[in-house]
This record gives sequence, C-alpha cells and structure tokens, in this order.
Amino acid sequence: DQQVKQNSPSLSVQEGRISILNCDYTNSMFDYFLWYKKYPAEGPTFLISISSIKDKNEDGRFTVFLNKSAKHLSLHIVPSQPGDSAVYFCAAIFTGGGNKLTFGTGTQLKVEL
Amino acid sequence: EAQVTQNPRYLITVTGKKLTVTCSQNMNHEYMSWYRQDPGLGLRQIYYSMNVEVTDKGDVPEGYKVSRKEKRNFPLILESPSPNQTSLYFCASSLRGLGNTEAFFGQGTRLTVV
Repeated sequence: DQQVKQNSPSLSVQEGRISILNCDYTNSMFDYFLWYKKYPAEGPTFLISISSIKDKNEDGRFTVFLNKSAKHLSLHIVPSQPGDSAVYFCAAIFTGGGNKLTFGTGTQLKVEL
Repeated sequence: EAQVTQNPRYLITVTGKKLTVTCSQNMNHEYMSWYRQDPGLGLRQIYYSMNVEVTDKGDVPEGYKVSRKEKRNFPLILESPSPNQTSLYFCASSLRGLGNTEAFFGQGTRLTVV
C-alpha cells in the first residue's frame, strides 16, 4: 500500500524554465512533508519541508505547495538549472506516530541546456 | 565535517552468511534509522531508533536486526541474508525526529546476496 505516490517517474525541463514535481498521499494523519534530492552514488539530501498547517514554503529557487483537501503537494524549482538534475523524493511523516518517514518512489528530473 | 558514515559501500555475500553494515554519525543526533531503496518502491524504512537503547520497527523489518548501544552507532545486522535482501541501504540521522529537522543520510551500501 503506497501511501505516498509520485506518479511521474521522470521529467525533462529546459534550463531556465520551471520544474514542477508532484506528489500525492493517502494518509490524512501525515502532518509534515519533505522533499529530498538524490544524486547517483550519494545519499539523499534534505531540500525543503512544509508543515500541514501551512500551504506554502519557499527557500530560494525552491517552493513547496500543499493542498490538504486534495492530499497533494508539489515542488516548484524556478529557474531550473542543470545541477538540479537528480532524483527527487517526496516524503511524509506523522510526528505523533513514531516519526516514521514514508517516501514516494521518486521522480528523475533532467534539466537540459 | 558533519557526516553519516556507512561501511562497507559495496558488499557481495552468500545466502545465510551473517553480516553487519555499520553506521556512525558525528553530530550527536538522537534519531537514527535505516532504509532500503529498491526500483519502483522508493526508500522504505527498516528500523529506527529515537535514542540509545530505544529501537522500533519500520515498514520492512523482517530479516533485519539493529542495536543502539551508543548514540553515534546504529549497525544493521542480517543474521541469515537471502537474495531478496539484495538492495541499496541508507542510514540516516537527525537531531530529533524527522518532521521538521534536517536528516543526514550516509552514502549508501550496495548489498548483493547470491
């Protein structure tokens, strides 16, 4: 039972344009959502997070939007850069349930010149 | 340098031969956890530890053991490895739980069980 879903396994975007990565979840108990970025042969690195009491969080070129009613979140990267090419994992956590992190399956982003 | 160190990075072993993957962090973090990454399944949590001597099961604990005798170390033990445990394993640590604090991941251990 995949509680966090990333339905697009891959995404290709031109440099300078906006990248939008999507994530859906099914468990309404999740109260924190995170995005991680992973390069080949490295561990995931934390990118940005959002609490369920907010609908937007911004950090430089990265913005995460949360739509609780639709159980949907998205990561916007503007402008996209070639160095952003990586696998992006969406993750969710229920902080009252042992802080277990549940990951999506990942989206491979390729930013082309 | 703040880091999570896993060893070994690569391991090929035979079915049934006990092995341990070590994980150590130098940030005095309370929370540590293990994940496995498989194609099409993302990262799934195996075990986690909220503090010394406190461990709990994640989503896929079968076939694994862990211990947390010291704050900095969180080894993953496969008592009798099987081919379905062939995977890429990541250890992670954070100051507290993973909700709103940054988690640091190790570089991964690629395990092949033949």
